[in-house]
Amino acid sequence: DTEVTQTPKHLVMGMTNKKSLKCEQHMGHRAMYWYKQKAKKPPELMFVYSYEKLSINESVPSRFSPECPNSSLLNLHLHALQPEDSALYLCASSWARERSYEQYFGPGTRLTVT
Amino acid sequence: DQQVKQNSPSLSVQEGRISILNCDYTNSMFDYFLWYKKYPAEGPTFLISISSIKDKNEDGRFTVFLNKSAKHLSLHIVPSQPGDSAVYFCAASRYGQNFVFGPGTRLSVLP
Repeated sequence: DTEVTQTPKHLVMGMTNKKSLKCEQHMGHRAMYWYKQKAKKPPELMFVYSYEKLSINESVPSRFSPECPNSSLLNLHLHALQPEDSALYLCASSWARERSYEQYFGPGTRLTVT
Repeated sequence: DQQVKQNSPSLSVQEGRISILNCDYTNSMFDYFLWYKKYPAEGPTFLISISSIKDKNEDGRFTVFLNKSAKHLSLHIVPSQPGDSAVYFCAASRYGQNFVFGPGTRLSVLP
Protein backbone atom coordinates (compact mmCIF):
# COMPACT_ATOMS: atom_id res chain seq x y z
CA ASP A 1 0.00 0.00 0.00
CA THR A 2 1.72 3.16 -1.22
CA GLU A 3 -1.24 5.43 -0.77
CA VAL A 4 -1.73 8.63 1.15
CA THR A 5 -5.41 9.42 1.61
CA GLN A 6 -6.93 12.78 2.38
CA THR A 7 -10.46 13.69 3.46
CA PRO A 8 -12.51 15.49 2.52
CA LYS A 9 -11.80 15.94 -1.20
CA HIS A 10 -13.58 19.29 -1.20
CA LEU A 11 -14.49 21.64 1.63
CA VAL A 12 -16.38 24.93 1.62
CA MET A 13 -16.34 26.86 4.86
CA GLY A 14 -17.24 30.28 6.15
CA MET A 15 -14.78 32.55 7.89
CA THR A 16 -16.24 31.79 11.31
CA ASN A 17 -16.30 28.02 10.92
CA LYS A 18 -14.01 25.46 12.48
CA LYS A 19 -13.12 22.46 10.33
CA SER A 20 -10.38 19.85 10.06
CA LEU A 21 -8.53 18.22 7.19
CA LYS A 22 -7.38 14.65 7.64
CA CYS A 23 -4.50 12.70 6.16
CA GLU A 24 -3.67 9.03 6.62
CA GLN A 25 -0.90 6.68 5.49
CA HIS A 26 -0.17 3.06 6.36
CA MET A 27 3.30 2.75 4.88
CA GLY A 28 5.09 3.05 8.23
CA HIS A 29 6.42 6.47 7.30
CA ARG A 30 7.60 8.58 10.24
CA ALA A 31 7.60 11.99 8.56
CA MET A 32 4.46 13.76 7.39
CA TYR A 33 4.00 17.09 5.68
CA TRP A 34 1.35 19.69 4.94
CA TYR A 35 1.66 21.80 1.78
CA LYS A 36 -0.53 24.60 0.45
CA GLN A 37 -0.89 25.06 -3.29
CA LYS A 38 -2.60 28.08 -4.82
CA ALA A 39 -3.82 27.95 -8.40
CA LYS A 40 -0.96 27.89 -10.93
CA LYS A 41 1.60 28.11 -8.14
CA PRO A 42 3.96 25.47 -6.74
CA PRO A 43 3.25 23.63 -3.48
CA GLU A 44 4.53 25.54 -0.44
CA LEU A 45 5.63 23.68 2.68
CA MET A 46 3.59 24.55 5.78
CA PHE A 47 4.45 21.98 8.45
CA VAL A 48 6.68 18.95 8.92
CA TYR A 49 6.16 16.27 11.56
CA SER A 50 8.97 13.89 12.34
CA TYR A 51 8.23 10.95 14.67
CA GLU A 52 4.96 12.65 15.64
CA LYS A 53 6.71 15.84 16.73
CA LEU A 54 6.38 19.13 14.91
CA SER A 55 9.80 19.88 13.49
CA ILE A 56 9.10 22.68 11.05
CA ASN A 57 6.48 25.42 11.01
CA GLU A 58 7.14 27.64 8.03
CA SER A 59 5.73 30.86 9.53
CA VAL A 60 2.16 29.71 9.07
CA PRO A 61 -0.61 31.82 10.71
CA SER A 62 -2.07 30.41 13.92
CA ARG A 63 -5.48 29.96 12.28
CA PHE A 64 -3.88 26.76 10.90
CA SER A 65 -3.18 24.25 13.66
CA PRO A 66 -1.57 20.89 12.82
CA GLU A 67 -1.90 17.76 14.91
CA CYS A 68 -0.28 14.35 14.63
CA PRO A 69 -2.24 11.96 16.90
CA ASN A 70 -0.16 8.96 15.83
CA SER A 71 2.35 7.96 13.20
CA SER A 72 -0.34 7.20 10.60
CA LEU A 73 -2.52 10.28 10.98
CA LEU A 74 -2.05 13.95 10.38
CA ASN A 75 -4.73 16.59 10.89
CA LEU A 76 -4.90 20.24 10.01
CA HIS A 77 -7.38 22.20 12.13
CA LEU A 78 -8.79 25.32 10.54
CA HIS A 79 -10.36 28.26 12.38
CA ALA A 80 -11.26 31.80 11.36
CA LEU A 81 -9.80 31.43 7.88
CA GLN A 82 -9.71 34.16 5.28
CA PRO A 83 -10.83 33.93 1.64
CA GLU A 84 -7.15 34.09 0.59
CA ASP A 85 -6.62 30.76 2.38
CA SER A 86 -8.63 29.07 -0.37
CA ALA A 87 -6.23 26.60 -1.98
CA LEU A 88 -5.40 22.94 -2.49
CA TYR A 89 -3.97 21.45 0.71
CA LEU A 90 -1.64 18.55 0.07
CA CYS A 91 -0.45 16.01 2.60
CA ALA A 92 2.69 13.94 2.02
CA SER A 93 4.72 11.34 3.90
CA SER A 94 8.20 9.85 3.74
CA TRP A 95 10.19 7.23 5.65
CA ALA A 96 11.95 9.95 7.57
CA ARG A 97 12.54 13.68 7.33
CA GLU A 98 16.05 12.87 6.11
CA ARG A 99 14.46 10.99 3.21
CA SER A 100 11.96 13.68 2.25
CA TYR A 101 13.06 13.25 -1.36
CA GLU A 102 10.90 10.13 -1.38
CA GLN A 103 7.67 11.85 -0.46
CA TYR A 104 4.38 10.28 -1.37
CA PHE A 105 1.63 12.82 -1.87
CA GLY A 106 -2.09 12.52 -1.29
CA PRO A 107 -4.60 13.86 -3.82
CA GLY A 108 -5.27 16.97 -1.75
CA THR A 109 -8.27 18.73 -0.24
CA ARG A 110 -9.65 21.62 -2.28
CA LEU A 111 -10.61 24.27 0.29
CA THR A 112 -12.84 27.25 -0.47
CA VAL A 113 -13.32 29.91 2.19
CA THR A 114 -16.38 32.11 1.66
CA ASP B 1 11.75 35.97 -4.78
CA GLN B 2 11.50 32.61 -6.52
CA GLN B 3 14.41 30.34 -5.72
CA VAL B 4 13.31 27.75 -8.29
CA LYS B 5 12.08 28.89 -11.68
CA GLN B 6 10.46 27.09 -14.57
CA ASN B 7 10.17 29.78 -17.19
CA SER B 8 7.96 27.85 -19.62
CA PRO B 9 4.42 27.61 -18.25
CA SER B 10 3.50 25.18 -21.01
CA LEU B 11 5.03 23.00 -23.69
CA SER B 12 3.49 21.00 -26.56
CA VAL B 13 5.33 18.11 -28.18
CA GLN B 14 4.40 15.56 -30.81
CA GLU B 15 4.14 11.94 -29.70
CA GLY B 16 7.41 10.08 -30.22
CA ARG B 17 9.53 13.23 -30.10
CA ILE B 18 11.70 14.48 -27.25
CA SER B 19 10.25 16.69 -24.49
CA ILE B 20 12.72 18.98 -22.72
CA LEU B 21 11.61 20.72 -19.56
CA ASN B 22 13.89 23.30 -17.98
CA CYS B 23 14.45 24.51 -14.44
CA ASP B 24 16.73 27.19 -13.00
CA TYR B 25 17.60 27.84 -9.38
CA THR B 26 19.23 30.73 -7.58
CA ASN B 27 20.47 29.21 -4.32
CA SER B 28 23.94 27.73 -4.84
CA MET B 29 23.53 25.77 -1.58
CA PHE B 30 20.91 23.49 -3.16
CA ASP B 31 22.42 20.06 -3.64
CA TYR B 32 19.50 17.73 -4.33
CA PHE B 33 16.88 18.05 -7.04
CA LEU B 34 13.69 16.26 -7.95
CA TRP B 35 11.15 16.20 -10.73
CA TYR B 36 7.52 15.50 -9.91
CA LYS B 37 4.65 14.85 -12.29
CA LYS B 38 1.13 15.92 -11.39
CA TYR B 39 -2.12 14.86 -13.03
CA PRO B 40 -5.33 16.83 -12.37
CA ALA B 41 -7.06 15.90 -9.08
CA GLU B 42 -4.02 13.90 -7.94
CA GLY B 43 -1.05 14.72 -5.73
CA PRO B 44 2.44 15.11 -7.26
CA THR B 45 4.21 11.83 -8.06
CA PHE B 46 7.97 11.48 -7.76
CA LEU B 47 9.61 10.97 -11.14
CA ILE B 48 13.40 11.21 -10.93
CA SER B 49 16.09 12.81 -8.77
CA ILE B 50 19.68 13.96 -9.04
CA SER B 51 22.24 15.02 -6.46
CA SER B 52 24.89 17.63 -7.04
CA ILE B 53 27.67 15.04 -7.21
CA LYS B 54 26.26 13.91 -10.56
CA ASP B 55 25.51 15.68 -13.79
CA LYS B 56 23.15 13.10 -15.26
CA ASN B 57 20.69 10.52 -14.04
CA GLU B 58 18.69 8.24 -16.27
CA ASP B 59 15.61 6.11 -15.61
CA GLY B 60 13.99 4.54 -18.64
CA ARG B 61 12.60 7.26 -20.88
CA PHE B 62 13.46 9.98 -18.36
CA THR B 63 16.87 11.65 -18.03
CA VAL B 64 17.72 14.59 -15.80
CA PHE B 65 20.77 16.74 -16.52
CA LEU B 66 22.35 19.08 -13.97
CA ASN B 67 24.63 22.00 -14.83
CA LYS B 68 25.82 23.30 -11.47
CA SER B 69 27.79 26.23 -12.84
CA ALA B 70 24.71 27.50 -14.69
CA LYS B 71 22.37 26.51 -11.82
CA HIS B 72 20.22 24.77 -14.39
CA LEU B 73 18.64 21.38 -14.72
CA SER B 74 16.55 19.82 -17.41
CA LEU B 75 14.31 16.80 -17.78
CA HIS B 76 14.35 14.93 -21.07
CA ILE B 77 11.53 12.54 -21.95
CA VAL B 78 12.14 10.41 -25.00
CA PRO B 79 10.08 9.20 -26.70
CA SER B 80 7.19 11.31 -25.42
CA GLN B 81 3.85 9.56 -24.99
CA PRO B 82 0.32 10.99 -24.60
CA GLY B 83 0.24 9.62 -21.02
CA ASP B 84 3.13 11.96 -20.20
CA SER B 85 0.76 14.93 -20.50
CA ALA B 86 0.78 16.47 -17.02
CA VAL B 87 2.23 19.35 -15.01
CA TYR B 88 5.91 18.82 -14.18
CA PHE B 89 7.42 20.41 -11.08
CA CYS B 90 11.09 20.83 -10.43
CA ALA B 91 12.06 20.89 -6.72
CA ALA B 92 15.35 21.73 -5.02
CA SER B 93 16.72 21.31 -1.52
CA ARG B 94 19.76 21.32 0.67
CA TYR B 95 20.63 17.91 2.12
CA GLY B 96 17.45 16.43 0.63
CA GLN B 97 15.13 18.23 3.05
CA ASN B 98 12.57 21.07 2.87
CA PHE B 99 12.12 21.10 -0.85
CA VAL B 100 11.31 24.31 -2.71
CA PHE B 101 9.13 23.75 -5.75
CA GLY B 102 9.15 25.57 -9.07
CA PRO B 103 5.87 26.87 -10.55
CA GLY B 104 5.50 23.93 -12.93
CA THR B 105 5.37 23.39 -16.68
CA ARG B 106 2.30 21.91 -18.32
CA LEU B 107 3.36 19.35 -20.91
CA SER B 108 0.93 18.33 -23.65
CA VAL B 109 1.95 15.39 -25.82
CA LEU B 110 -0.07 15.41 -29.01
CA PRO B 111 -0.95 12.12 -30.72
